Amino acid sequence: GEDVEQSLFLSVREGDSSVINCTYTDSSSTYLYWYKQEPGAGLQLLTYIFSNMDMKQDQRLTVLLNKKDKHLSLRIADTQTGDSAIYFCAESIDNQGGKLIFGQGTELSVKP
Amino acid sequence: DTEVTQTPKHLVMGMTNKKSLKCEQHMGHRAMYWYKQKAKKPPELMFVYSYEKLSINESVPSRFSPECPNSSLLNLHLHALQPEDSALYLCASSQDRYFSGNTIYFGEGSWLTVV
Repeated sequence: GEDVEQSLFLSVREGDSSVINCTYTDSSSTYLYWYKQEPGAGLQLLTYIFSNMDMKQDQRLTVLLNKKDKHLSLRIADTQTGDSAIYFCAESIDNQGGKLIFGQGTELSVKP
Repeated sequence: DTEVTQTPKHLVMGMTNKKSLKCEQHMGHRAMYWYKQKAKKPPELMFVYSYEKLSINESVPSRFSPECPNSSLLNLHLHALQPEDSALYLCASSQDRYFSGNTIYFGEGSWLTVV
């Protein structure tokens, strides 16, 4: 079955790098996504990676995908207090017609 | 422009009321979604519309009634809700649910409180 797992909390100091991890079970995943949700707001698409890629970089964000281990990570360089939010990993499975399977979300707390 | 607009942002309704949540996108997307989200939990899929036809209903109670009047609009009609239905209701859209790499964009949500 499909399952996506994330650790629930991460706390870092401002200026440090943050690494948020995610594991998934379905090998037919085609795309994997990272969404950010600030308090009281909707989900903001941060980035996504196709399952045949190993890495994608976009400014302060680096996504690493280890398809063999079904492990996805999001690294945020130079983490700022404005990065404090809940980060959801999600997978899209090709035969599910656009249905996203979400992880439980990782609450990132950035301390000054 | 990747904007999905939802109204109202906040809604308080009694258990006997009838109200509606509205969603609009002008990205030419042909798939639209309703999700329900409880605090600090992941969103849960409720309905998917594809080309203005209901494509997925995730066994949602009939007190929630979706409607897709045209390709840009999605409504969620609410009637006889229960206090446990209080949640953030998120609308989303994507180009086409059957495209590989179907990126889903979310709105800011409507906060619903049932009293």
